[in-house]
Amino acid sequence: QKEVEQDPGPLSVPEGAIVSLNCTYSNSAFQYFMWYRQYSRKGPELLMYTYSSGNKEDGRFTAQVDKSSKYISLFIRDSQPSDSATYLCAMSDMNRDDKIIFGKGTRLHILP
Amino acid sequence: GAVVSQHPSRVICKSGTSVKIECRSLDFQATTMFWYRQFPKQSLMLMATSNEGSKATYEQGVEKDKFLINHASLTLSTLTVTSAHPEDSSFYICSASALAGGGADTQYFGPGTRLTVL
Repeated sequence: QKEVEQDPGPLSVPEGAIVSLNCTYSNSAFQYFMWYRQYSRKGPELLMYTYSSGNKEDGRFTAQVDKSSKYISLFIRDSQPSDSATYLCAMSDMNRDDKIIFGKGTRLHILP
Repeated sequence: GAVVSQHPSRVICKSGTSVKIECRSLDFQATTMFWYRQFPKQSLMLMATSNEGSKATYEQGVEKDKFLINHASLTLSTLTVTSAHPEDSSFYICSASALAGGGADTQYFGPGTRLTVL
């Protein structure tokens, strides 16, 4: 079983819809959970960073972490065509020198 | 935010040649730099971690003699793919952190270098 599982998509939703992206993981030692956005042929950009369980909101983005289920989510409200990108979940464990483990990424298309 | 650049953005080379990729932190001193590789539809995979002035730490399965990393200054790290082969074709991305150890929220990623080996 891979450490981090993420559906690669693609996921197509109409503009204005709420987008839900998620990942599951197997290593209970993960404590830091991130979401990155990666445009085509570009490096990833950190969107959200959370520690342990709970919710974090930043503008139209909400990140949720459920450590009991080993499940994390990213919600995008009022989605816009400019949100079209690949979204990578990632996580790390301080005891591993902050090595980041990435999911494969979900390709998201927001249809105008 | 902090800016990390990579050069070149794209390179095509013949099998057996060596290719050097540069990663620069433009507005901060990068104590730690990371090199990742991303194959199509695959995760970013950490190849190695380097701290300025010391030898890089390679991940399991990454050949240190094939992927030479030099972190000679606080703003520059280079990755040299020696004797490149078609299976080395990939998207190589660096990230840089001002902190030793480079926590996930302190890493800034470069734009990546697309390597194609013919």
